[in-house]
Order: sequence, then C-alpha cells, then structure tokens
Amino acid sequence: IVMTQTPLSSPVTLGQPASISCRSSQSLLDGDGNTFLSWLQQRPGQPPRLLIYKISNRFSGVPDRFSGSGAGTDFTLKISRVEAEDVGIYYCTQATQFPYTFGQGTKLEIK
Amino acid sequence: VQLVESGGGLVQPGGSLRLSCAASGITVHNYYLIWVRQAPGKGLEWVSVIYGGGGTSSAVSVKGRFTISRDTSKNTLSLQMSSLRVDDTAVYYCAASVTTLGAFDVWGQGTMVTVSS
Repeated sequence: IVMTQTPLSSPVTLGQPASISCRSSQSLLDGDGNTFLSWLQQRPGQPPRLLIYKISNRFSGVPDRFSGSGAGTDFTLKISRVEAEDVGIYYCTQATQFPYTFGQGTKLEIK
Repeated sequence: VQLVESGGGLVQPGGSLRLSCAASGITVHNYYLIWVRQAPGKGLEWVSVIYGGGGTSSAVSVKGRFTISRDTSKNTLSLQMSSLRVDDTAVYYCAASVTTLGAFDVWGQGTMVTVSS
C-alpha cells in the first residue's frame, strides 16, 4: 500500500492552523472494521513519536491541538494552532496490511 | 517503558551485524515489536516485525538477509543482518505496540549502521 502525503513542506505562522493530508493506494479498513492509520511526529534529531492512532485517537500526552480524521483511503492530521515545538517531520503510516508503509513525510516549519 | 538499541557501527559491504533492543517495563514476549530504519536525510522504512505469538515478517528489501528474533531471558529484541549492502546504511529504530492496537507507541533512540568500504 502506497501512502502519499501532501504537502511535503508546510511553512506556517505561529498560532495559525496546519493541515496534512495522507492518501493510501487502497482502503485501510480491515475485515474486523479497524483502520490502522496512525500519525507520527519526528522532531529534529529525535526518534519518531506517536501522535494519533486508528485515524483519530490521540495518544497519551499528545496536546489536544492535534486531531486526526478520515476514512477508507483519505486521512488528515490537523494542528489547530501551531506552536514552535511542533516543528519537525510528520509521517502517516499504515499497519493494516503487510508490508507496513509510511508516507514520504511532511516537513512543518515556522514561517 | 523504555527501549534501548545497541550494536550499530561501521561494516563492510557483504558483512554482518547484530542489533539489539533492550526492553524495560515490558516483556518482549507479550507484545509486537518492529524494526524501522531511516537512511540519512530520508524517510522511515519498515524492516521487520515479530508478533506476540512469535510470527515474523520482513520487507522484501531485507528478506533472506535480515532475521528478527527475541530473547525472553534477556528481554531483548534482535535483528541479525547479513550480506549487508551500502543502501542498508541507516539509523535503525526498534518500536513496540504496548497500549495501542495497530500503532507503535514506544520507540528507542536508534542505532546507526554504516555500510561502507
């Protein structure tokens, strides 16, 4: 399954919203009704960190300015008000079908 | 919960290396764990997975060359890498699905593998 993210780069003003799209080449809905689409954040020099799992569930400790939505093949990560600590690269990833795959990554930077 | 990788380094093309991922706070036998790699300046690439039941799967690019395993007595995940190629150069991360179904919520800091003559 190919994961395609847009945009690949997103300059955003502090305090403004940001949105990243992720499209999969086939549906991520499995036979049990689960959609294993998650979002990771990778800050510079750091390992990836889980933000969102199963499309829209915020992981423990993740600020509520992060939200996920979507279904089937189209998914979105939104940041309601970008803060300086949000700078980094964001990846969507699917674990519905082998081989697991990642999007190319979207670089979020402050304008 | 913590994962700590080790074993990275410089190796010649065709050589072998064994990476380890020491777990604390979880028992490796009970969770599913993966290896993911990131070539310099590039994105993330899934390498191998091992399930709680012991089943494994690997990416086509490493199949037949890399073997994922776990040692319950040492509470450690391993990745045995052989026939290494220059394009295997990357930071290798281990990660675990601990509290979330179908997502990896605990990540190690990574270990660098450089394949070069």
